[in-house]
Amino acid sequence: EPEVTQTPSHQVTQMGQEVILRCVPISNHLYFYWYRQILGQKVEFLVSFYNNEISEKSEIFDDQFSVERPDGSNFTLKIRSTKLEDSAMYFCASQEPGIANTGELFFGEGSRLTVL
Amino acid sequence: SQQGEEDPQALSIQEGENATMNCSYKTSINNLQWYRQNSGRGLVHLILIRSNEREKHSGRLRVTLDTSKKSSSLLITASRAADTASYFCATGPFTGTASKLTFGTGTRLQVTL
Repeated sequence: EPEVTQTPSHQVTQMGQEVILRCVPISNHLYFYWYRQILGQKVEFLVSFYNNEISEKSEIFDDQFSVERPDGSNFTLKIRSTKLEDSAMYFCASQEPGIANTGELFFGEGSRLTVL
Repeated sequence: SQQGEEDPQALSIQEGENATMNCSYKTSINNLQWYRQNSGRGLVHLILIRSNEREKHSGRLRVTLDTSKKSSSLLITASRAADTASYFCATGPFTGTASKLTFGTGTRLQVTL
């Protein structure tokens, strides 16, 4: 069964360092998302991406964050200069196109980011 | 309260019993979805109910939606230990296009033998 894959599963970084989290969405999907979940809290929307551009972003998604789909398969989230409060589980999700899109999101297993 | 709040926050039941979780939301929706998250894992879609539907079934799951009260409930019948997880409701404004979901705070379900 097709699935969304994310790497790395866990990354530890020093405050101020750049981090890139990678995702391979399901191949025929066209809508892509990043969410994050701080330990013990709710899942929060960061950004949606369609047709090679950001569709919508939340207040959390400030200038330190960027997304890219560099090669038609990978979908990356970059945090330019990490802060302690960026420590969270980051989930990538994708969604089917057109009439097949029921609204369901398909999530990856997440990348846990720990900022020290 | 925030968009998508579940209650109870935690629920502990014995295997075989039914589990009911509730979700309230604030804004108009196109659909409401329920997701399960096993500890430390990703979210798995369980069921979606559209705003013009009142009840939906999928296996041991039954979801109801009351748009007048802006609330939904998820019933898991004949629970199993494997149902132990956190359950989140999520509301979405659209289908057929890029549409972010807004997740609730979740109910942690513990099913004991």
